[in-house]
Amino acid sequence: DADVTQTPRNRITKTGKRIMLECSQTKGHDRMYWYRQDPGLGLRLIYYSFDVKDINKGEISDGYSVSRQAQAKFSLSLESAIPNQTALYFCATRGQGGPEAFFGQGTRLTVV
Amino acid sequence: GQQVMQIPQYQHVQEGEDFTTYCNSSTTLSNIQWYKQRPGGHPVFLIQLVKSGEVKKQKRLTFQFGEAKKNSSLHITATQTTDVGTYFCAGLVATDSWGKFQFGAGTQVVVTP
Repeated sequence: DADVTQTPRNRITKTGKRIMLECSQTKGHDRMYWYRQDPGLGLRLIYYSFDVKDINKGEISDGYSVSRQAQAKFSLSLESAIPNQTALYFCATRGQGGPEAFFGQGTRLTVV
Repeated sequence: GQQVMQIPQYQHVQEGEDFTTYCNSSTTLSNIQWYKQRPGGHPVFLIQLVKSGEVKKQKRLTFQFGEAKKNSSLHITATQTTDVGTYFCAGLVATDSWGKFQFGAGTQVVVTP
């Protein structure tokens, strides 16, 4: 089983719909991140959380919200999806003492 | 906008040749990391550099952190088909809290046999 699990892996949704992407981890890490990946733009940080009570906006948080339900769970919501939110979304975790970020398998979201 | 820039965006390499990808930041970095993403996969951590002028090697991969801690490079020698993928650098700006790394746009590497 993967240490960082994202659900769903693929999703097609309509403009204006609310959608939630979920991430769970078994690594015991306190830090969790949501990124979106677009061709030519790399990975851009949407939100990050250093513990359950600490949530911070990244560089492109507009149109997104997050919830850290537990240390192991970090969900990303699109309140009203729009087509330019079509992208590959990655969740990642990092331990407090280590440099390495561990990524989930990604969620490919298409907004039509 | 992105503070960490990577060049080139694409790199076509003949198998057996060497190539280098560069990462440049507009601000001083505390450290820099490199990741590799295989086609259809997710980014996987390769290495972290912390010290000014640091050089680290992993088999055919050589990573370097600039003296001013504003740039970094990844050099691959004798490229193999297994090197295909996108290589990202991720820098931690000196004034940002630990863990808030900024990724470059990546260098997509295609290897021709």
